[in-house]
Amino acid sequence: EPEVTQTPSHQVTQMGQEVILRCVPISNHLYFYWYRQILGQKVEFLVSFYNNEISEKSEIFDDQFSVERPDGSNFTLKIRSTKLEDSAMYFCASTRDREPEAFFGQGTRLTVV
Amino acid sequence: GDSVTQMEGPVTLSEEAFLTINCTYTATGYPSLFWYVQYPGEGLQLLLKATKADDKGSNKGFEATYRKETTSFHLEKGSVQVSDSAVYFCALCTGGGNKLTFGTGTQLKVEL
Repeated sequence: EPEVTQTPSHQVTQMGQEVILRCVPISNHLYFYWYRQILGQKVEFLVSFYNNEISEKSEIFDDQFSVERPDGSNFTLKIRSTKLEDSAMYFCASTRDREPEAFFGQGTRLTVV
Repeated sequence: GDSVTQMEGPVTLSEEAFLTINCTYTATGYPSLFWYVQYPGEGLQLLLKATKADDKGSNKGFEATYRKETTSFHLEKGSVQVSDSAVYFCALCTGGGNKLTFGTGTQLKVEL
């Protein structure tokens, strides 16, 4: 069964450092998403991506964040200068088209120290 | 804006007990409603969905009915198993976009 894969499963980084979280969406899917969940809080939408551009982003997705689909298979989330409050589980998801039935990866736990 | 409220966890039940996890929502328009499940060490998986009022979503013995009058989508299962132990997330999607709005999740632990 096709699945969304995320790497790494756990990333520890120092405050102020840049991190790149990687995702491989399901191959015939067209829409891609990042969500995050701070420990004990809700899963929050960050950004959606379609046709090589951002289609929607939340207030959380400020200038320190960026997304890219560099090679037609990977979908990355870059955090330029990490802050302690960026510590969270980050989930990648994809959908085949505009239907909302999203397939999620296992998540990357980001710890900023 | 849109929001989802779930009952607080953790919920601990004995095997074969009846499960209800409450979920209510606030949304503009007519949302589609979902339950996602996260088993230990795994990603979020779609459990069931309902796209219009009075629809009942069902899967693996779980059910939820889209109640527009009470803005609710409570998850139920008649007889839980140890293998149902997981975190359950209620979510909605509105309008033309595919963005999901999630609740905080409810951890379920089923014991023998």
